[in-house]
Amino acid sequence: QVQLVESGGGLVKPGGSLRLSCAASGFTFSDYYMSWIRQAPGKGLEWVSYISSSDNTVYYVDSVKGRFTISRDNAKNSLYLQMNSLRAEDTAVYYCARAQIAAGLDYWGQGTLVTVSS
Amino acid sequence: DIQLTQSPFFLSASVGDRVTITCRASQGISRYLAWYQQKPGKAPKLLIYDASTLQSGVPSRFSGSGSGTEFTLTISSLQPEDFATYYCQQLNSYPSFGGGTKVEIK
Repeated sequence: QVQLVESGGGLVKPGGSLRLSCAASGFTFSDYYMSWIRQAPGKGLEWVSYISSSDNTVYYVDSVKGRFTISRDNAKNSLYLQMNSLRAEDTAVYYCARAQIAAGLDYWGQGTLVTVSS
Repeated sequence: DIQLTQSPFFLSASVGDRVTITCRASQGISRYLAWYQQKPGKAPKLLIYDASTLQSGVPSRFSGSGSGTEFTLTISSLQPEDFATYYCQQLNSYPSFGGGTKVEIK
């Protein structure tokens, strides 16, 4: 069965960095776009970034452009999010999700909490 | 950027009620809209994509309709397990989510 497992969250000071990972299994990872979505405490969902299946075309929400970098390693069935220059407003649960082109996010991980605080 | 506005923000309903949630897009998105259900502490679950196509395994009491700028999610007979927050998402351009509609027990 399809599984997505995020890791790498934690407490970091403003201006710091974290790298999130998402381990995928149960499907041909290299066939799918993948996304990161976040949810601040008590707030709604915010799409953060996505990456194409093979040519590594990437897109970011404006608020993270220049600070976050999405990448993938199809040989390791893994998705990553490098987060630099973190701000308090980046505090959220970060989910990875499998993307069906124009058909939504059909599988999600359990999420990993990132807390940015001094 | 395309903005999605959901209404109502909060909905109080009883088991068995018919419930309708609306999602309006700031510009036309054809049928590139999905709906998700999220329960507290859990990841969202895809219910509907392409505005009206039911995701595999989702009960038939859920339905979606609309195109262009106005979309609806309908639950024909609310069940206890349906009390949750619902989000729409547009997939026409850079993806974005609506603000959510919380459905609570009356």
